[in-house]
Amino acid sequence: SAVISQKPSRDICQRGTSLTIQCQVDSQVTMMFWYRQQPGQSLTLIATANQGSEATYESGFVIDKFPISRPNLTFSTLTVSNMSPEDSSIYLCSVGQTGPATEQYFGPGTRLTVT
Amino acid sequence: SQQGEEDPQALSIQEGENATMNCSYKTSINNLQWYRQNSGRGLVHLILIRSNEREKHSGRLRVTLDTSKKSSSLLITASRAADTASYFCATAIIQGAQKLVFGQGTRLTINP
Repeated sequence: SAVISQKPSRDICQRGTSLTIQCQVDSQVTMMFWYRQQPGQSLTLIATANQGSEATYESGFVIDKFPISRPNLTFSTLTVSNMSPEDSSIYLCSVGQTGPATEQYFGPGTRLTVT
Repeated sequence: SQQGEEDPQALSIQEGENATMNCSYKTSINNLQWYRQNSGRGLVHLILIRSNEREKHSGRLRVTLDTSKKSSSLLITASRAADTASYFCATAIIQGAQKLVFGQGTRLTINP
């Protein structure tokens, strides 16, 4: 399985500011995703990070609020823009390979608190 | 909206006992994956079961899948205190895209 790291591991931010979260994988992967886990809740997919093109967002998530970059097959960033306390969550990246049924592996997550 | 529902939402058992968690989903799937999460940290991948499989084993874990009932179960045998965690099922509903839709999770507590 791939080794995935995220930076920062946690942060406390003021409302109205933005935070960029980095996700680094130790090997090339075809699929990268960003998920959000609100306090006490399950995971919700934000978007699929596409290499060299715009990310594909799920219903309820927009590029202006969560811009995503993926410059290559091992790295992606998620920015949480103009933050409010409602954005306080754990943000997780995950990776996988295309194929009929392949495992998806998750990074350690970034715990964000917005005050 | 979440694809799956997990049951029970919370489970507390004694060390050494077996723990069974259930997951139900609504639409046809390509595969179903089980994860463990300790104290709000990252998810650890446990098992992937394909839609054409009925049962898989990995160590003390056994996963079953019944596509006619749209349900899966995770059995942990001879539980240990270290198994205390939240367990999530996630379904991949589109072949190739691999987007996962998560259930609400089961909070498992193993009492020493």
